[in-house]
Amino acid sequence: AQSVTQLDSQVPVFEEAPVELRCNYSSSVSVYLFWYVQYPNQGLQLLLKYLSGSTLVKGINGFEAEFNKSQTSFHLRKPSVHISDTAEYFCAVNSGGSNYKLTFGKGTLLTVNP
Amino acid sequence: GAVVSQHPSRVICKSGTSVKIECRSLDFQATTMFWYRQFPKQSLMLMATSNEGSKATYEQGVEKDKFLINHASLTLSTLTVTSAHPEDSSFYICSARGTGVRGSYNEQFFGPGTRLTVL
Repeated sequence: AQSVTQLDSQVPVFEEAPVELRCNYSSSVSVYLFWYVQYPNQGLQLLLKYLSGSTLVKGINGFEAEFNKSQTSFHLRKPSVHISDTAEYFCAVNSGGSNYKLTFGKGTLLTVNP
Repeated sequence: GAVVSQHPSRVICKSGTSVKIECRSLDFQATTMFWYRQFPKQSLMLMATSNEGSKATYEQGVEKDKFLINHASLTLSTLTVTSAHPEDSSFYICSARGTGVRGSYNEQFFGPGTRLTVL
């Protein structure tokens, strides 16, 4: 079985400050990891994904994440946030298999204040 | 590329009626489609997985007779909420994965969601 824990349900920051959204996972097999962003009343947009290779993954909108196998973490970071980054962020894991099911964390609401 | 649409974007219906939600992959062939339910300020809960031409596989606790899923073609899946009740009110999101999308291995592409309100 696989599971995802997002340690912070809400993260308030000021504009232009750095931010880190934490994600830990558990799985008995190799994993594929994803970060999605959801704006109000919209679907999910992929920010970045880790499938294999380099543990530092760069995504859209200036976000990046680092896969740490020993700590089973996949934290999302941005060096300088904008008001427009205010949204819900979901970490998700897929352990492969024929059905490619995703397991989502509970989400972190990032609020960027002026 | 890799666009998924949903229709309608929001629907209001009376208790006891049935509602159909469509999910379409616009520029790729969706071999697998997923239906999720999301309650306010909560995460996505997978309801079912459907492969084109096969019966859907429902997650534990999801009533298959209540939530009918059809994936009759490689670009269309439908979710029908039968005899809807107020507790079925939620945000329903579909996603799709498939062939012909460059660099998309193991990635699901999400629709914009459908807000269902049952009065």
